[in-house]
Formats: sequence, C-alpha cells, structure tokens
Amino acid sequence: GAGVSQSPSNKVTEKGKDVELRCDPISGHTALYWYRQRLGQGLEFLIYFQGNSAPDKSGLPSDRFSAERTGESVSTLTIQRTQQEDSAVYLCASSTPQSNNEQFFGPGTRLTVL
Amino acid sequence: AQSVSQHNHHVILSEAASLELGCNYSYGGTVNLFWYVQYPGQHLQLLLKYFSGDPLVKGIKGFEAEFIKSKFSFNLRKPSVQWSDTAEYFCAVKRGAGTASKLTFGTGTRLQVTL
Repeated sequence: GAGVSQSPSNKVTEKGKDVELRCDPISGHTALYWYRQRLGQGLEFLIYFQGNSAPDKSGLPSDRFSAERTGESVSTLTIQRTQQEDSAVYLCASSTPQSNNEQFFGPGTRLTVL
Repeated sequence: AQSVSQHNHHVILSEAASLELGCNYSYGGTVNLFWYVQYPGQHLQLLLKYFSGDPLVKGIKGFEAEFIKSKFSFNLRKPSVQWSDTAEYFCAVKRGAGTASKLTFGTGTRLQVTL
C-alpha cells in the first residue's frame, strides 16, 4: 500500500514569509508525527496527533510553528515569518496500534529560507 | 529530559570489516528501541526494533542489535559490512510499550564503507 507522502518535496522561501507543509499519512494510521532534521543533526520532535486527543506540542520551537490535522487524515505544518534557522528537512511519520505504533516516515520536505 | 547518545559521529570501514555502533539512552522506564537508516538521497527507513522479549534482535540486511537494560544500551552490529551499507544510522527511543508517543533520536552516525 501507499506510504506516507509529503508535499512539496522542496520549498525555497524568503525570510519573513509563511510556509505550509503537507503530510498525508498511511490510511488508517491514527497517530501522526512531525520531526525536523537540521543539517548535521539528528531528528527533533515537533508535534504529534493521536486520534481525537489534544496534540502533544511540546517540541514546537516557537509560536511561529503550528500544525493542524483533520480527523485521522492530512496534516499541515505552518511556519510563520520564517527565519534562516528554520531551514531543515521536515519529516512526517504515522503509526497505528495494530503495528505497535511503529513509525513509518515520509520522504520529507526540504525547506530553505533565504 | 530523555536523551539518546550516539558516540560515533563518523565511521570509516573497509568492506568485510565488522561494525558496532554505540547507542545509549537516559530514560529508566519501559522503552521501545529502534535503529533507522538513511541511505544517500533516500528517506528514513527502519532497520530493526526492540519492543520486548529476546534482547538480541535481528533486522534487515544482516544487522542486529542487543538491548542491555543494565547499561541502557542498544548497540548496532554487523559482522561484515558492504559498500552498500554506506549511510547514516540513527538510534531512537520511545517511552512506553507500543503506545503512540514521540521518538527521541540520537544525532546519527555516518558510516562510510570503502572498497
């Protein structure tokens, strides 16, 4: 079946602009996660959604970052007033209790802020 | 705060050499443990995982890892590496048993295998 998909694959923007990144999880996966991978660093957790529960936003680095998820489907990560330090690969993953909540990752969106 | 340490940042090996990549974590409760691999130009994929049971787990492509609870370690091993194993390897830890929660990743180890 289809894996996790993300769009766009690459995004170049100017400092100060807002960007939206999209994630389509695997169908039927109840949990969805966003991570960030900056150059030469590991992955940092940003936020996750689990069913109808309140999302865990504990990893969001500032109030310029927000995310939404409609039901158990698509999620959008929004970064407002982008800064150069926001440049990174943004990865989305999804999971289901049926597979012990093993996380399956998408290909990522490479964001470059000029 | 929970942390994951990968002590080797860049490893260079010749083909057929043995590999061991270290991973230590700081959380004392029940954990699920993972190794992910990212081949050049590809996205992150699962190499192997530990949830419970036998602490020696086997993954794809001949990789294995051993969970040593007393040492808070989950080291990755392969007896004989191949050039195609050149990639970045990430250790990750999740609290709880099978629950949906965040992964905490190590900073990664870049493995370069020479012919």
